[in-house]
Amino acid sequence: KAGVTQTPRYLIKTRGQQVTLSCSPISGHRSVSWYQQTPGQGLQFLFEYFSETQRNKGNFPGRFSGRQFSNSRSEMNVSTLELGDSALYLCASSYQGAVEGYTFGSGTRLTVV
Amino acid sequence: AQSVTQLGSHVSVSEGALVLLRCNYSSSVPPYLFWYVQYPNQGLQLLLKYTSAATLVKGINGFEAEFKKSETSFHLTKPSAHMSDAAEYFCAVIVNNDMRFGAGTRLTVKP
Repeated sequence: KAGVTQTPRYLIKTRGQQVTLSCSPISGHRSVSWYQQTPGQGLQFLFEYFSETQRNKGNFPGRFSGRQFSNSRSEMNVSTLELGDSALYLCASSYQGAVEGYTFGSGTRLTVV
Repeated sequence: AQSVTQLGSHVSVSEGALVLLRCNYSSSVPPYLFWYVQYPNQGLQLLLKYTSAATLVKGINGFEAEFKKSETSFHLTKPSAHMSDAAEYFCAVIVNNDMRFGAGTRLTVKP
């Protein structure tokens, strides 16, 4: 079966712009989580969606938001981009949640210039 | 709060040698623990997970990990390293129903 698909793979944006990243989970998976990965901070949890509801949220500013659609696909939005938002953004899915273990996508590499 | 600490940001072994990557957790209750591997420019791949069914957990690619409550450890091992094992490895624990990761250990395998 198809894995977790993230689009686009690479993005270059200018400071102050906004960006939307997309994630299609494995078919049947209802939980989608987002992580930010940087060399300095490592893997940091952004938020988790389950059946179209945000179930958990990490410690990120309100510029970072997300949503989940009825088909479990999820989008993540970052507004007013800052240089420090440059990172690999990873999406992960599971049927019910983290305790099962996540399947990760290949990520979206965002560069803010 | 539960967390994991990975000892050693870089580990280098020779091909065929034992691989030992260390992970210690802080938890007052039996945790859910995981090991993931990340190859360059890719996402994370689940190697194995501990869910209290057995203390010795076998994973993919010949890796295994042993849960030791007395030492609060969940170290990852592989008897014989292969060049293809070169990657970054992450230990993770469930915190408030979310997965939180250690800082990672980069494994280098020398020919």
